[in-house]
Parts: sequence; structure tokens; C-alpha cells
Amino acid sequence: DGGITQSPKYLFRKEGQNVTLSCEQNLNHDAMYWYRQDPGQGLRLIYYSQIVNDFQKGDIAEGYSVSREKKESFPLTVTSAQKNPTAFYLCASSIGTIVAGGPVDYNEQFFGPGTRLTVL
Amino acid sequence: AQSVTQLGSHVSVSEGALVLLRCNYSSSVPPYLFWYVQYPNQGLQLLLKYTSAATLVKGINGFEAEFKKSETSFHLTKPSAHMSDAAEYFCAVTRMDSSYKLIFGSGTRLLVRP
Repeated sequence: DGGITQSPKYLFRKEGQNVTLSCEQNLNHDAMYWYRQDPGQGLRLIYYSQIVNDFQKGDIAEGYSVSREKKESFPLTVTSAQKNPTAFYLCASSIGTIVAGGPVDYNEQFFGPGTRLTVL
Repeated sequence: AQSVTQLGSHVSVSEGALVLLRCNYSSSVPPYLFWYVQYPNQGLQLLLKYTSAATLVKGINGFEAEFKKSETSFHLTKPSAHMSDAAEYFCAVTRMDSSYKLIFGSGTRLLVRP
């Protein structure tokens, strides 16, 4: 079955430590995204990548870093510079990031099950 | 800039009652619109999407949404609520710039009373 996997499901980190969250997809999608979810705030975009070896900052990129060395993988590192890292992190992918007038399916994002990060 | 507003962070209905979750968007051009559902500690699952082919869109689990350009709305409805519908629902709109990223509303938690 095609889909997106995230690991681990729960992650605990001590203050001052960097931690990397895994995201893998076998949907052959070009675009991948990382979101942060906090209660009552919906989803906020951290980073996104439209193609291998390229990525862009989202709305709340400070304290995070990513890489996109392979089409199927988009790991997120939460660094010690992130002041409030405790949150639920969601990875998503889509066929592409569309061109004007293109099919709406390009925008449809498929989500992984999420990783809940808790800083102790 | 595009934005999405979901009116009501919590909506409570009785089992068997009509479900209505509200979503309004701001966009200078008709956007692409989506509704997602999230069950506790899980990722988001697509319920339905507006493709401009029809203003009334049918999705999974008996949900549907109607695109009303004059009201800039895309409200989600279901005629009869089931206990299994209890979840959080997110409306999303495509950012109409070169990135075409999604902008999500803040979500509405649906509670279903027995």
C-alpha cells in the first residue's frame, strides 16, 4: 500500500538536544511538507520541498532544519534553538505544487500519522 | 492574501442530528478548497475537495460541502451525525501564489452526543 510513514510516533527530548523526525513516502510525490500542530491553532507550515535537493521555509521555520536528498524522504530536525518544540508534527506530500490552471489533484496533500514530540 | 476562517472551535450535536461546520475563505479568485478530518493522535484524512466541476461536492462518510462564491463559503454538512463522526475537521484553501501551498483553518472539533 502506498502512503506516508512517520517515526517515531512518540518522542521525548531533553532541553538543549537536537532531534530528527523521520518522514518517508512511497507515493512518488514530488512535493513534501512539514507542519506543526498546537491545540487550537490548526496546522502551521514549517518547511516544504517541491523537488529533491530543494526546500523552502514556511511560516515558522526558525529553530528547524530539513534536508531532501531523496525523493521519498524529508526528515525534520528540531534544534535546540526552537524555543517551544513540544507539539504534534505532521508530514505530508502531494503530487506537485501545481501550475496555474493545473489539476486540483496536485494540491491534495496526503498526511502521515504524525509524531508527538515532548520536551522534558 | 488568502485566509480561511472556521466559525466555532467546538460544535456539539446529538446523534442523528444535522451536522453543519462552517468555513469561509478570502480569495480574489476562486480557490481550490478542501475539508480534512483528524481523529485523535492521527494524521489528516481528506474528506472532499472542490474542483470547480460542481458546486455541491460529495465526500466520504456521507459528508458533503457546497461552494458558494457569493458568500465565499464552503460549509461542510452531513444529514445525520454518527458517534464515529466525532473528530476535528479542518478546512483548507490553496494559496494562490507560485507555491500553491495550503492554508488551513484553525479547526472545529465535532462532539456527538448519544
